[in-house]
Amino acid sequence: KAGVTQTPRYLIKTRGQQVTLSCSPISGHRSVSWYQQTPGQGLQFLFEYFSETQRNKGNFPGRFSGRQFSNSRSEMNVSTLELGDSALYLCASSFSLPGDTQYFGPGTRLTVL
Amino acid sequence: SQELEQSPQSLIVQEGKNLTINCTSSKTLYGLYWYKQKYGEGLIFLMMLQKGGEEKSHEKITAKLDEKKQQSSLHITASQPSHAGIYLCGADGLGNFNKFYFGSGTKLNVKP
Repeated sequence: KAGVTQTPRYLIKTRGQQVTLSCSPISGHRSVSWYQQTPGQGLQFLFEYFSETQRNKGNFPGRFSGRQFSNSRSEMNVSTLELGDSALYLCASSFSLPGDTQYFGPGTRLTVL
Repeated sequence: SQELEQSPQSLIVQEGKNLTINCTSSKTLYGLYWYKQKYGEGLIFLMMLQKGGEEKSHEKITAKLDEKKQQSSLHITASQPSHAGIYLCGADGLGNFNKFYFGSGTKLNVKP
């Protein structure tokens, strides 16, 4: 089985721009969660999607949004980028939360200049 | 406050030595996961514990979930340079389903 894939792997943007990140889950997984990882804050939960519905979200501003498609693929969008948005963005897929193991993609490294 | 506290924050050990990493929760853990991360990369799933008193092993790594299900430990026997990385514990269902929490991580360096 193919693992979780994320594209692109690296991105450089400037302040004020917007960005869209993509995540393809493991085949058969319906839950996709997104995380932001920074040296200062560690791994923080952004949101989780299941069957195209956002079931839960973390404490991030509305500039962070996401969606999930019928094939379970998910996208995450960040609008009006700020320097502090520079981070490693990880997505994880599972059959469902809670209780099922999440498998992580390699991440997208976003740098905001 | 952090839902999951990990200790120590960092660890440097000589190759061949044993080590233990702890993960403590203020709430009952329904599922406790251990992951390993190489710098700047994704997380690799190590193991999952659900039952109090449960213990699982994979190669030279053993994880336990205590009886009261509020603490887990990860033990590495005869450490090797390949064990180096960041170890993270994670949990779901800490009073907020469909949300997953991670500890702050333990950075392990193994000196050859």
